Amino acid sequence: DGGITQSPKYLFRKEGQNVTLSCEQNLNHDAMYWYRQDPGQGLRLIYYSQIVNDFQKGDIAEGYSVSREKKESFPLTVTSAQKNPTAFYLCASSPGTSYYEQYFGPGTRLTVT
Amino acid sequence: QKEVEQNSGPLSVPEGAIASLNCTYSDRVSQSFFWYRQYSGKSPELIMSIYSNGDKEDGRFTAQLNKASQYVSLLIRDSQPSDSATYLCAVDGTALIFGKGTTLSVSS
Repeated sequence: DGGITQSPKYLFRKEGQNVTLSCEQNLNHDAMYWYRQDPGQGLRLIYYSQIVNDFQKGDIAEGYSVSREKKESFPLTVTSAQKNPTAFYLCASSPGTSYYEQYFGPGTRLTVT
Repeated sequence: QKEVEQNSGPLSVPEGAIASLNCTYSDRVSQSFFWYRQYSGKSPELIMSIYSNGDKEDGRFTAQLNKASQYVSLLIRDSQPSDSATYLCAVDGTALIFGKGTTLSVSS
């Protein structure tokens, strides 16, 4: 059953702690993306990766880090440097970049207090 | 910077009516256009893609593209309460560029 999985669904952390969000896909897609969604803000691109061991910053990369050691996996770390980390985080993948549709995982809702 | 604009709504229609959702984009050379549906608290789900000028129909959904006017729309015929959601328009880029979405409310 092909798809994108994100875990956990809900995550609670104390301010000052780093936290890593998981994203795995078995669609054999080359490209993967991380977005953040806040109420009324739409989707904002954090990082994306077109191939293994390579990734680029999106519009709001400050305070976040990623890795792409395997084609299937693209974890996102929210560091303590991120000023407002509480948000809905969405991972997506696509067969390639440019012109291709993207498919989303179920999302992780992160709350930092 | 490429931009995608949508009316945030809410757009309210009665059950059985046609809902019309609109989107404009700034980059004249854009080639691929997508509509996503997002239910409250859930992730976006791809419902339509369109690449050529004209209409593309899939069940109750019709996507319309006019590249000269830089305009893409989504028509939902025979609207149902289950269609109540936020609809996101997206345009190609290195990563897709999303509008902020239009909230549709279908009343029974």
